[in-house]
Amino acid sequence: GAGVSQTPSNKVTEKGKYVELRCDPISGHTALYWYRQSLGQGPEFLIYFQGTGAADDSGLPNDRFFAVRPEGSVSTLKIQRTERGDSAVYLCASSLSGGAREQFFGPGTRLTVL
Amino acid sequence: AQSVTQLDSQVPVFEEAPVELRCNYSSSVSVYLFWYVQYPNQGLQLLLKYLSGSTLVKGINGFEAEFNKSQTSFHLRKPSVHISDTAEYFCAVSGGDNTDKLIFGTGTRLQVFP
Repeated sequence: GAGVSQTPSNKVTEKGKYVELRCDPISGHTALYWYRQSLGQGPEFLIYFQGTGAADDSGLPNDRFFAVRPEGSVSTLKIQRTERGDSAVYLCASSLSGGAREQFFGPGTRLTVL
Repeated sequence: AQSVTQLDSQVPVFEEAPVELRCNYSSSVSVYLFWYVQYPNQGLQLLLKYLSGSTLVKGINGFEAEFNKSQTSFHLRKPSVHISDTAEYFCAVSGGDNTDKLIFGTGTRLQVFP
């Protein structure tokens, strides 16, 4: 079956612009996570969805970042007024549910803010 | 708060030699521990995980790790590495709440030379 997919694979934007990053989780996975990986660093947690609701958004760095999962499947990470410091690889992962099950990661979206 | 320390940013090793990648964690509650591998231009892939039970965990591609609660360590080992093991390796921890968000270390770059 298909794994986690993310689109686009690369996104270049200008400072101040709005961007949307999409994640398609594995079918049937109720848990979905967003992480951000800066150059030379490990992935950093941003937000966790269980179904349609954001169960934990404590990792979102500020109010320019927002994520939705309206139907409990596809999720979109939205970044307003992008800054150069937002440049990173944004990773999405899904799992069957909570309970320390394996998280399956997508290939990521590389965001570059000029 | 939980944290993960990977003491070595880079580990060079010759093919067929043994290797150990070190990982130490900090947590005030019981944790689950993971090792992920990231090959160039690919997503994160789970190597192995410790949830409970036997402290010696075997994973894919001949890797194994040992959970040591007293030393708060979860070092990754392989008795004989291959060129194809060249990749970035991340140690991660979760637990203590019901979100299963992963806290990652900064990664160790394993470079295998012929």
